[in-house]
Amino acid sequence: EAQVTQNPRYLITVTGKKLTVTCSQNMNHEYMSWYRQDPGLGLRQIYYSMNVEVTDKGDVPEGYKVSRKEKRNFPLILESPSPNQTSLYFCASSPGRGTEAFFGQGTRLTVV
Amino acid sequence: AQTVTQSQPEMSVQEAETVTLSCTYDTSESDYYLFWYKQPPSRQMILVIRQEAYKQQNATENRFSVNFQKAAKSFSLKISDSQLGDAAMYFCAYRSGTYGNKLVFGAGTILRVKS
Repeated sequence: EAQVTQNPRYLITVTGKKLTVTCSQNMNHEYMSWYRQDPGLGLRQIYYSMNVEVTDKGDVPEGYKVSRKEKRNFPLILESPSPNQTSLYFCASSPGRGTEAFFGQGTRLTVV
Repeated sequence: AQTVTQSQPEMSVQEAETVTLSCTYDTSESDYYLFWYKQPPSRQMILVIRQEAYKQQNATENRFSVNFQKAAKSFSLKISDSQLGDAAMYFCAYRSGTYGNKLVFGAGTILRVKS
């Protein structure tokens, strides 16, 4: 089944404790992105990648890191999480320009 | 920068009735794509419908159709014969055809369906 898989689905952590949210897609898509969803703001892009080893900042990149060492994987790293990073996170992939994005199941992150 | 505005935070509709969700966008580009996504309580983002800006014909997917007014930069979603399963958050989104590295989302509209 074609899908985007992200883990974990729920995570509660403490301020400053490094964490990684994994994302993997099995559709051989070139484009991958991370978004965060906050009430009243919709989804905003954090980082994106248009190919292996090619990543760039989105609209809200502060406090996040990403890597794209393989085409299928695009992990999101929070080196030192803070409470303002409490949010719902989505990984998405798409085959190219103009195409719809396929989303993972979402990760609910709470930083206390 | 492109922006997407959904001016209705919440809408309600009676089962079997028709409802229209509004979306406006701002862009100086001529090549772009517009989407409506549905997010039920499960949080999964589900594509409802897609519209290419260069196509004048409005997209339709079963009970879902759009009214795409390019000059007015308006992209509303019409849901006919509403069902209880249509209750969800709906997001309007824009994607550049030239720099298509991201979707720009509106704030969302919560749709409630009454039985």
